[in-house]
Amino acid sequence: DARVTQTPRDKVTEMGQEVTMRCQPILGHNTVFWYRQTMMQGLELLAYFRNRAPLDDSGMPKDRFSAEMPDATLATLKIQPSEPRDSAVYFCASGPPTGAYNEQFFGPGTRLTVL
Amino acid sequence: QQPVQSPQAVILREGEDAVINCSSSKALYSVHWYRQKHGEAPVFLMILLKGGEQKGHEKISASFNEKKQQSSLYLTASQLSYSGTYFCGTELGNTDKLIFGTGTRLQVFP
Repeated sequence: DARVTQTPRDKVTEMGQEVTMRCQPILGHNTVFWYRQTMMQGLELLAYFRNRAPLDDSGMPKDRFSAEMPDATLATLKIQPSEPRDSAVYFCASGPPTGAYNEQFFGPGTRLTVL
Repeated sequence: QQPVQSPQAVILREGEDAVINCSSSKALYSVHWYRQKHGEAPVFLMILLKGGEQKGHEKISASFNEKKQQSSLYLTASQLSYSGTYFCGTELGNTDKLIFGTGTRLQVFP
């Protein structure tokens, strides 16, 4: 049963610390998305990649957030320095090579709490 | 740019029907529907493409009115397992980039 995996599942950290979240997309999927979900803003797209190349990161605060795909099996989202307003659930999703039906498969999420 | 969903919340008894609407201010290439249960990740339900193609679950149906830039999700003979928050995601071009709506919380009681 192919699934997107994310680590860590929960992270509590103090303001100013660096946070790194990792995602392993489903094997064979070439599109990877990073979303942030909060009660106030809902589900927001931060960035996405196709074939490891960034396509759009306009939803991401550039001064503190960075997203990379070091290889086809790993995507990372980094926050440095973290702030309390970054507290949210961060989801990674992957999608198969683009066709007519480009459904996204979400990972279980990383719940981040910044104190 | 975020699509607007209505209603914000629905309460049903098992077996009742519901319609959830999604409205965009921009022309759409496709509309996606996802369901998220509390504490879990969103799960794909359906995609509707410009031109009438669609793919999704057998027990869930939806429509896409391209001219009105609207989509509706039809939940018939609801079951307890239908409870959750439903999101529409709109795609403005063939880019894979989705903008998710505000969500509709659905609760089904016995």
